[in-house]
Amino acid sequence: EDKVVQSPLSLVVHEGDTVTLNCSYEVTNFRSLLWYKQEKKAPTFLFMLTSSGIEKKSGRLSSILDKKELFSILNITATQTGDSAVYLCAVHTFGNEKLTFGTGTRLTIIP
Amino acid sequence: DGGITQSPKYLFRKEGQNVTLSCEQNLNHDAMYWYRQDPGQGLRLIYYSQIVNDFQKGDIAEGYSVSREKKESFPLTVTSAQKNPTAFYLCASSEDTRYGYTFGSGTRLTVV
Repeated sequence: EDKVVQSPLSLVVHEGDTVTLNCSYEVTNFRSLLWYKQEKKAPTFLFMLTSSGIEKKSGRLSSILDKKELFSILNITATQTGDSAVYLCAVHTFGNEKLTFGTGTRLTIIP
Repeated sequence: DGGITQSPKYLFRKEGQNVTLSCEQNLNHDAMYWYRQDPGQGLRLIYYSQIVNDFQKGDIAEGYSVSREKKESFPLTVTSAQKNPTAFYLCASSEDTRYGYTFGSGTRLTVV
């Protein structure tokens, strides 16, 4: 059974801090790993990763995948209150038409 | 604008009643999904459909039913057999799953 584990479950930091969110997976026939941000309702897409060691970057957010150690990290630098959200990690595998999600990390930024 | 519309946003139901959640997309996506989200448990798959008139059970299908009569629509019925239906329900669609989903805004169902 495919498994995706995120850590920590929740994190509270002060504005301006840098945070690292973790996602590890145990799946068969890995194809891609995706990160989503969920503020109140609909999760919105952040990154898709398929290759090890290639950093994806968007503003203050960045993510990288390690296919040997089976994990990904999501970094957020100079955090702002607008970064407060649940961050979801999901994995897609070959031959499977659905994503497997982790439990999410709830990030709270204190002004 | 293309997207997914879920309705209603909030729904209250008495115990013992069936209720249907609507999900409509105009993205021309073949695949559609229903997930349930509970605090601390992430997203759990209820049902999914790859094409019209075909659908598969997910991990927690008991107490739920779906139909896929049109490409654009994938309604979810929460039946009285669902023992703990109070949750946030998310609908999603996809053109190619490796690139992820487009999500609707969700329906929060409360059983009173």
